[in-house]
Amino acid sequence: ELKVEQNPLFLSMQEGKNYTIYCNYSTTSDRLYWYRQDPGKSLESLFVLLSNGAVKQEGRLMASLDTKARLSTLHITAAVHDLSATYFCAVDAVQGAQKLVFGQGTRLTINP
Amino acid sequence: DAGVIQSPRHEVTEMGQEVTLRCKPISGHDYLFWYRQTMMRGLELLIYFNNNVPIDDSGMPEDRFSAKMPNASFSTLKIQPSEPRDSAVYFCASSPQGRRTINEQFFGPGTRLTVL
Repeated sequence: ELKVEQNPLFLSMQEGKNYTIYCNYSTTSDRLYWYRQDPGKSLESLFVLLSNGAVKQEGRLMASLDTKARLSTLHITAAVHDLSATYFCAVDAVQGAQKLVFGQGTRLTINP
Repeated sequence: DAGVIQSPRHEVTEMGQEVTLRCKPISGHDYLFWYRQTMMRGLELLIYFNNNVPIDDSGMPEDRFSAKMPNASFSTLKIQPSEPRDSAVYFCASSPQGRRTINEQFFGPGTRLTVL
């Protein structure tokens, strides 16, 4: 059974600091997805990483994928309050199947 | 595009009542997914359809839950009879086919269900 684990599950940090969220998964996959969910809202797609070594950046967020280590990271640079949200990673359940397995989510709180 | 549309946005009902949640996927998307989100269990995939055909319903918790997709632009998730433990946020998501099998899914706003 495919497992997707995020670390940490809760993160409280101050504005201006840097931090990294980790996403480990238990089976081979060369695609990984990051989503953001604001409190009481829906999930919004942030990044789609399609191959080993893929790196994508949007503003203060940067995501990378290491398929050999089965690890993706979401790095936050100089955090600002607006980035407070829950971040989910997800992996294809089975190659060729249109189904994702999501991690537990990391609830990020950025304090002024 | 309007995105994935769900209705109702909020539903409060009493135990034993039938509940029907509705979803309109993004036009042209061939895949439709129903998820349930709770604090305890996180985000769970209940069922998904491809071209209106159910592909995997292994996440449907029990026979009280049923889902249909009568056409490409409409799906329902029905709970009958409802129980308090069904209280959750139910999301519908859709995904296009033919994009190098990229499984990026686009989520609707969700229906917050409370069963008293």
